[in-house]
Amino acid sequence: AQSVTQPDIHITVSEGASLELRCNYSYGATPYLFWYVQSPGQGLQLLLKYFSGDTLVQGIKGFEAEFKRSQSSFNLRKPSVHWSDAAEYFCAVGALAGNKLVFGAGTILRVKS
Amino acid sequence: EAEVAQSPRYKITEKSQAVAFWCDPISGHATLYWYRQILGQGPELLVQFQDESVVDDSQLPKDRFSAERLKGVDSTLKIQPAELGDSAMYLCASSRKRDRANEQYFGPGTRLTVT
Repeated sequence: AQSVTQPDIHITVSEGASLELRCNYSYGATPYLFWYVQSPGQGLQLLLKYFSGDTLVQGIKGFEAEFKRSQSSFNLRKPSVHWSDAAEYFCAVGALAGNKLVFGAGTILRVKS
Repeated sequence: EAEVAQSPRYKITEKSQAVAFWCDPISGHATLYWYRQILGQGPELLVQFQDESVVDDSQLPKDRFSAERLKGVDSTLKIQPAELGDSAMYLCASSRKRDRANEQYFGPGTRLTVT
């Protein structure tokens, strides 16, 4: 069965610093991978997705992610974090059957000024 | 920009009471999903509809939870009776098609607290 692991529960970075959030997946075929962001009390917003092709994908709000099949990873990065990026970030894999998303437990990002 | 609507945003109920949540997906979206997000965890799919039909309810606790989408548009999720462990955020999402390449759009959620 597919699963997603986000090893870091909390991460704190300084405003302007770079960011990398880790995501590892377990999946028996070519995965469809997603990163979502959730602000407090809000629903989830899609940041970016990977289906095939170029392993470096660009998303909204200056985020990017790199798919590495050999490491079963899909890490999210941003070169310079803004205070408004403070939120919870979820990595997810799309199941082969239907359109079920399997989410990781999330990483809470805190940004200090 | 079209959005998924959910109501209520917050609900407090006592154990053993009945509670219902409502979701209105983006117009034209055939697939509707209900997820449960327990504090500190990622969302978990409870039930998935294609039009008015349930296509996946394998994780729905059917002894107390029910869901319907009678006309293939809006949907209601019901819990009866509510238990303390049901306290969570209930998220509704919709997508144009039932295909993992189709983006799921999420509503703001309903925060349920069972006392």
